[in-house]
Amino acid sequence: NAGVMQNPRHLVRRRGQEARLRCSPMKGHSHVYWYRQLPEEGLKFMVYLQKENIIDESGMPKERFSAEFPKEGPSILRIQQVVRGDSAAYFCASSPPASLGTSMKKLFFGSGTQLSVL
Amino acid sequence: AQKITQTQPGMFVQEKEAVTLDCTYDTSDPSYGLFWYKQPSSGEMIFLIYQGSYDQQNATEGRYSLNFQKARKSANLVISASQLGDSAMYFCATGGATNKLIFGTGTLLAVQP
Repeated sequence: NAGVMQNPRHLVRRRGQEARLRCSPMKGHSHVYWYRQLPEEGLKFMVYLQKENIIDESGMPKERFSAEFPKEGPSILRIQQVVRGDSAAYFCASSPPASLGTSMKKLFFGSGTQLSVL
Repeated sequence: AQKITQTQPGMFVQEKEAVTLDCTYDTSDPSYGLFWYKQPSSGEMIFLIYQGSYDQQNATEGRYSLNFQKARKSANLVISASQLGDSAMYFCATGGATNKLIFGTGTLLAVQP
């Protein structure tokens, strides 16, 4: 049973390009969370999605960032017109469609995508 | 609002000894969870242990135990019999009704032979 799969593992972009980060949750998981980790810092919540719905995007920057979790396929975090300050590790986590208490225990993280903006 | 404070940027411990990593939290949620994650140099986030705010007993998972003191709002991680492979960053986190985790800034643990 594969864990949370993120790709690519490393992504290099020039300023102004677009970055697309993919996350396939664990089998049977329908909740996806994206977090960002800046150098020397802890993880910061960005967005929480269920299939075809954004539940909480309170941590997403207002511009250039978007996320989706379509009915079929992986969740995508998209960053348009990247800037150097977007360089960070982006982690995806997933949890099963259980009650809040249970799903909080079973939050599994992927290995992350390291985005470097030149 | 939720907040996690980890006051130890770095810690040293001798191999085979026990070490305590501090974590204090602040939350307005009546029901919440406390988590510890390990992040080795390879970068992945590894779940270690979970404590629910209404759990009567402190959580334990193998060599990891969580010293939960609700009145003091602390959730320290205790690692017994440290191993060289325990060298990593350790993050404390809390989650509640919002169903998202708030992380601390982490503690870098170095296990010395």
